[in-house]
Amino acid sequence: DGGITQSPKYLFRKEGQNVTLSCEQNLNHDAMYWYRQDPGQGLRLIYYSQIVNDFQKGDIAEGYSVSREKKESFPLTVTSAQKNPTAFYLCASSRWTGRNEQYFGPGTRLTVT
Amino acid sequence: GQQLNQSPQSMFIQEGEDVSMNCTSSSIFNTWLWYKQDPGEGPVLLIALYKAGELTSNGRLTAQFGITRKDSFLNISASIPSDVGIYFCAGRQGGSEKLVFGKGTKLTVNP
Repeated sequence: DGGITQSPKYLFRKEGQNVTLSCEQNLNHDAMYWYRQDPGQGLRLIYYSQIVNDFQKGDIAEGYSVSREKKESFPLTVTSAQKNPTAFYLCASSRWTGRNEQYFGPGTRLTVT
Repeated sequence: GQQLNQSPQSMFIQEGEDVSMNCTSSSIFNTWLWYKQDPGEGPVLLIALYKAGELTSNGRLTAQFGITRKDSFLNISASIPSDVGIYFCAGRQGGSEKLVFGKGTKLTVNP
């Protein structure tokens, strides 16, 4: 089946540690995105990538980093510089041309204590 | 960043009732998308709209792209318990690669 996978579903870390969230897609989509969702809030864009080896900052990139070495993969690292990292993280992908609707993965809930 | 104004924030309805929710902006959008999110899951795309005035259905769901291009509406007819969830609107402005999201409408359906 084609789709987007995120792992793990739940992640727990101690404050001060970096943590990497995985996102893989087999939809052959060019673009991939990372969003953060907090309770009662809409989705806020962290980073996005149109093509391999290129990515752009979204609205809340501080304290996060990404890489895009393969078309299928777009991992997100939450660094110790992120002041409030506990949140639900969503990965999405889309075609880049035409009617490029974004499709989402199941999400990773990160808890930092 | 910009956000869309989505209303109502929450709705409590009886099974079988129809539901209406909307999304507005002070800016013009070229694309409107409606998503549904179940608790602890990723949003699922319900309907995509690309032309002003467009009316599109997906089963019991109908969405419209407002004539002014500054708003969109989602209607659910004859609601059932599995309609429970949070409904998000999202829009894309011309020349932008990014989606702007509303804060969601939380729907509760009482059987």
